[in-house]
Amino acid sequence: DTEVTQTPKHLVMGMTNKKSLKCEQHMGHRAMYWYKQKAKKPPELMFVYSYEKLSINESVPSRFSPECPNSSLLNLHLHALQPEDSALYLCASSQVPEGAWSNIQYFGAGTRLSVL
Amino acid sequence: EDQVTQSPEALRLQEGESSSLNCSYTVSGLRGLFWYRQDPGKGPEFLFTLYSAGEEKEKERLKATLTKKESFLHITAPKPEDSATYLCAVHSTDSWGKLQFGAGTQVVVTP
Repeated sequence: DTEVTQTPKHLVMGMTNKKSLKCEQHMGHRAMYWYKQKAKKPPELMFVYSYEKLSINESVPSRFSPECPNSSLLNLHLHALQPEDSALYLCASSQVPEGAWSNIQYFGAGTRLSVL
Repeated sequence: EDQVTQSPEALRLQEGESSSLNCSYTVSGLRGLFWYRQDPGKGPEFLFTLYSAGEEKEKERLKATLTKKESFLHITAPKPEDSATYLCAVHSTDSWGKLQFGAGTQVVVTP
């Protein structure tokens, strides 16, 4: 089973709202990722967690706050977003890349976020 | 700096008309090259990983090949359900956890 589950599937929020996106996997992966994807563009990496610790932050604005409460769960807390933050937010997981090897990232179906 | 370029941007095929998608890459060292398929509004679906030049992998009507500078995704006798955007991504030795994605090739297969 290579399933990554994201909730909710769709989210509409105002610029003053606080909301959270959730991601769950049960593949035993210890690396988890958040991506942002705008229409007709490839996914852009936002954050990477490895062994529940934040390893990569691609200079993402502080209105996006990631959290990895355990090895199966990944959250993205949203606050004071702007309309330009509207996008498809994707979660992915993989085994932790070790040495020179790469590991397959498995993606969830995404959360379609609209900021009004 | 790592670069990944996919061509063509879009491809329209008749059912049964075979074709190839190209992914050219520039990296200091290659950990792996990945092909994903993405349907509208969905997350990317993993297709293949290639690690070294000369490697080939097949799955149904799809075959991926790798050289030191590019990868091809061959679609043989496509069906309408093969319509999707195909993404190529490279994991370089310079970037521990980051995939560099190409812009994708949008494939439409008509009956």
